[in-house]
Amino acid sequence: DGGITQSPKYLFRKEGQNVTLSCEQNLNHDAMYWYRQDPGQGLRLIYYSQIVNDFQKGDIAEGYSVSREKKESFPLTVTSAQKNPTAFYLCASKGDRGQNQPQHFGDGTRLSIL
Amino acid sequence: AQSVAQPEDQVNVAEGNPLTVKCTYSVSGNPYLFWYVQYPNRGLQFLLKYITGDNLVKGSYGFEAEFNKSQTSFHLKKPSALVSDSALYFCAVREAPGTALIFGKGTTLSVSS
Repeated sequence: DGGITQSPKYLFRKEGQNVTLSCEQNLNHDAMYWYRQDPGQGLRLIYYSQIVNDFQKGDIAEGYSVSREKKESFPLTVTSAQKNPTAFYLCASKGDRGQNQPQHFGDGTRLSIL
Repeated sequence: AQSVAQPEDQVNVAEGNPLTVKCTYSVSGNPYLFWYVQYPNRGLQFLLKYITGDNLVKGSYGFEAEFNKSQTSFHLKKPSALVSDSALYFCAVREAPGTALIFGKGTTLSVSS
C-alpha cells in the first residue's frame, strides 16, 4: 500500500547529540513537510520541500536541518542547538503544487530527552 | 498572514446528539480549508476540504462542514455523534499555491455513551 513511513516511532536524545528522524513516502509526491506537535499548540511547520534538492524554512526552523536528495525521502535532523526537542514530529506529503490537495501524514516520531 | 482559530479546546457531547467543532480563519485571498482528525499517537487523517462551490461539504465518517464567507468560518458538524468520534480535530487553511497548510491548535472532542 502507498503511504508515508516515519521511523523510529520513539527516539531518545542525549544532551549535545544530533538525531535524525526518517520520513519515506511511496506516493510519488513532490512536496514533503515536517511539523512539530506540542500539547495545546497544534502543528507548527519546521521545514518543507516542494521538489528534490530544494527546501524552505517554516516557522520554527531554528535547531533543525533537512535534506531532500531523493523524491521519496525527507529526513529531519534535530541538532544540539534545539534546546527543547521533546515533541511529536509529523511528516507529510502532497501530490501536486495546487492548493486543493490535502496533505497525507505519517504516524509520527515521538522524541524525548534522556 | 493567514491564520486559523479553533476557539474551543474541548467539546463534550452525548452519543446520538449532533456535534459542532468551530473554526474561523483569516486569509487575504480565497481560502482553501481542510479538516483533519488525529487519534492518540497517530498521524492526522484527512476528513474533508472546501475549495470552491457548495458551502456545505461532505466528508468521511458522516462528517460535514459549512463554509461561511461572511463569518470567515468553517465549522465541522455531524448529525449524530458516536463514541468512536472521540479524538483531536484540526482545522487548516492554505492561502497560496505551493505553501504548507497552517493548522489551528486543535479541539478535543469527547463523546460520552
